[in-house]
Amino acid sequence: NAGVTQTPKFQVLKTGQSMTLQCAQDMNHNSMYWYRQDPGMGLRLIYYSASEGTTDKGEVPNGYNVSRLNKREFSLRLESAAPSQTSVYFCASSGWYGEIYEQYFGPGTRLTVT
Amino acid sequence: EDQVTQSPEALRLQEGESSSLNCSYTVSGLRGLFWYRQDPGKGPEFLFTLYSAGEEKEKERLKATLTKKESFLHITAPKPEDSATYLCAVPTSGSRLTFGEGTQLTVNP
Repeated sequence: NAGVTQTPKFQVLKTGQSMTLQCAQDMNHNSMYWYRQDPGMGLRLIYYSASEGTTDKGEVPNGYNVSRLNKREFSLRLESAAPSQTSVYFCASSGWYGEIYEQYFGPGTRLTVT
Repeated sequence: EDQVTQSPEALRLQEGESSSLNCSYTVSGLRGLFWYRQDPGKGPEFLFTLYSAGEEKEKERLKATLTKKESFLHITAPKPEDSATYLCAVPTSGSRLTFGEGTQLTVNP
């Protein structure tokens, strides 16, 4: 049981390049999330998917797109990377545990845009 | 607007020196509160769920408590391996969470 996995772990892009961050979970959770974490800003929600086939914007969606490929996988795409997107990106998934949803996180992708 | 504020931003302790971290929140209809631990270069690791005011949870040297306005994470006789950033979060709409900015704890030997 690997939990939430993310690839790649590290990535360096030049301004204007595109890339896709991959996330998969094996906990049979319905909901999945993409966050970015910046110093002094905490964790901010980019996009989320409450269930397979649905996606919604979070706090900071500009410059990103997502795809909920199936129940297990949720990808984040940067179409034209900008230096402001330099950050650490975390994927999470959540399931219902009787009284409340609990979120579990992946190990993160550290992205640098030059 | 739902808000979560953690204090202090950073805390430095000597090994064995007990202390508390604070998480205060303003959210309509609290449905629970979560504590996470985050080590450098890693994702947040789930610690506790507190469901209602008055509830307490313990894990090793950590004890989390919840009132109607805030939560405390008490650390008793900490060790250097307790050094990490501690995050709290509250559910907002659906399964979404609002996070505080965290308290960075350093425990010196």
